[in-house]
Amino acid sequence: AQTVTQSQPEMSVQEAETVTLSCTYDTSENNYYLFWYKQPPSRQMILVIRQEAYKQQNATENRFSVNFQKAAKSFSLKISDSQLGDTAMYFCAFMNPLGRGGSEKLVFGKGTKLTVNP
Amino acid sequence: ETGVTQSPTHLIKTRGQQVTLRCSSQSGHNTVSWYQQALGQGPQFIFQYYREEENGRGNFPPRFSGLQFPNYSSELNVNALELDDSALYLCASSFFGGVAEAFFGQGTRLTVV
Repeated sequence: AQTVTQSQPEMSVQEAETVTLSCTYDTSENNYYLFWYKQPPSRQMILVIRQEAYKQQNATENRFSVNFQKAAKSFSLKISDSQLGDTAMYFCAFMNPLGRGGSEKLVFGKGTKLTVNP
Repeated sequence: ETGVTQSPTHLIKTRGQQVTLRCSSQSGHNTVSWYQQALGQGPQFIFQYYREEENGRGNFPPRFSGLQFPNYSSELNVNALELDDSALYLCASSFFGGVAEAFFGQGTRLTVV
C-alpha cells in the first residue's frame, strides 16, 4: 500500500521569504503522480502543483516549485516570496493511475499547517 | 472556485440516524470520489464512482454507500451514524484516465451527537 508522510505538522515563515515543506512517500509503482494541495480555512482543497513521476524536470507554478527526488521518494514544495494568502494547510498526495482495483484514488499525508507572518 | 458543489455545507445528526450528502461534478468530468477528513488529519479515500458503478473502495464499512447518476452527480449515504463519523466529507470530480487532476468541492461538515 502506498503511504505519504509529512514530517512537519506546523511551519511558519515571514512574508516575502521562502519556505520548504517536506513530503516522502512509499510505493513500489513506477508510474504515478504527486500533488500538493492547499486547504485554506474555507475548507476547499485547491491544487497547487502536480508532478508526473516519469518527468525528471521539477514542476513549477509561479511562486511554487517542487524538488522531486524519485530514487529517494521525496517530494518537497518550495514557496517563494511568501504571501499572507498562502496561510493554509498543505497536503502532499500520491496517485497511482489505474492502480489496484482500477480506481484513481488520492493518498494524502497528514498535512502541514503553514502560517505566513506579516 | 471549481465547478464542484456539495450540499449541505453543515449538518448535525444524532447517533444511529442516516445521512445523505450530495455532490455535483464539474462539467466534462465523469468520475466522483468521496473522502473523509477527520479533524487534524488528511483526507481518507472512501470510494469512487465511474459510469454509475463503484470503482474502488477504501477501508470503510458497508454502511457507507453511494450512488452516481447519469449526469455524473453523486450521493454518499451513511447508515447507523456513529460519533466517529463526525468529519468533513469531501467530494472530488475528475475525468477517468485523463490528466489525473481532481477538483474538490467545499465539503460537508457532518457532526454526529
